[in-house]
Amino acid sequence: GENVEQHPSTLSVQEGDSAVIKCTYSDSASNYFPWYKQELGKRPQLIIDIRSNVGEKKDQRIAVTLNKTAKHFSLHITETQPEDSAVYFCAAPRGGGSNYKLTFGKGTLLTVNP
Amino acid sequence: DTGVSQNPRHKITKRGQNVTFRCDPISEHNRLYWYRQTLGQGPEFLTYFQNEAQLEKSRLLSDRFSAERPKGSFSTLEIQRTEQGDSAMYLCASSSGLAGQETQYFGPGTRLLVL
Repeated sequence: GENVEQHPSTLSVQEGDSAVIKCTYSDSASNYFPWYKQELGKRPQLIIDIRSNVGEKKDQRIAVTLNKTAKHFSLHITETQPEDSAVYFCAAPRGGGSNYKLTFGKGTLLTVNP
Repeated sequence: DTGVSQNPRHKITKRGQNVTFRCDPISEHNRLYWYRQTLGQGPEFLTYFQNEAQLEKSRLLSDRFSAERPKGSFSTLEIQRTEQGDSAMYLCASSSGLAGQETQYFGPGTRLLVL
């Protein structure tokens, strides 16, 4: 099965700084990597995802990079704002293919200080 | 609201009782997933359906857990003889199942507390 490791577990930055969260996965067949943001008491919401046929994807202040050889992918948030404060989860599908039974990392609590 | 919905949002029960949760996926999504999330952890996969067929169950899903999706639309998750260790947030997600559209959309969850 898939094993997903996420670091750091907590991250505190000043408003306007960048934040980077890293994940590693074990299943070389994994081909889809989403990132979810979860605010306290709310549902996980997809913020960006990447497929294995590209190395980087960007959406405004958020970007994800993927290194398939090293089996790791990272979330980059630039110009952080207080509303970015939340728990962020990376995920990878178990067993590859198209089933997308996701294995999640343990999460990173991001705090953006005004 | 066309998103994934779950009911009830909260459930408090006594150990040994049975509970049932409902999930209504996004209309026309043929894949439906159940996850469990405990405090400080990411969601853990429990089971998933393609239409009405339950295609996989996690080892986390003991014999006391059963899930159904009788008509390929809404799904129910039942826990029999609840234990305190069952206390968690139970999340449902759905996806279209189409190639290139793998995004799983989560419901708000049902928070279960077993006393």
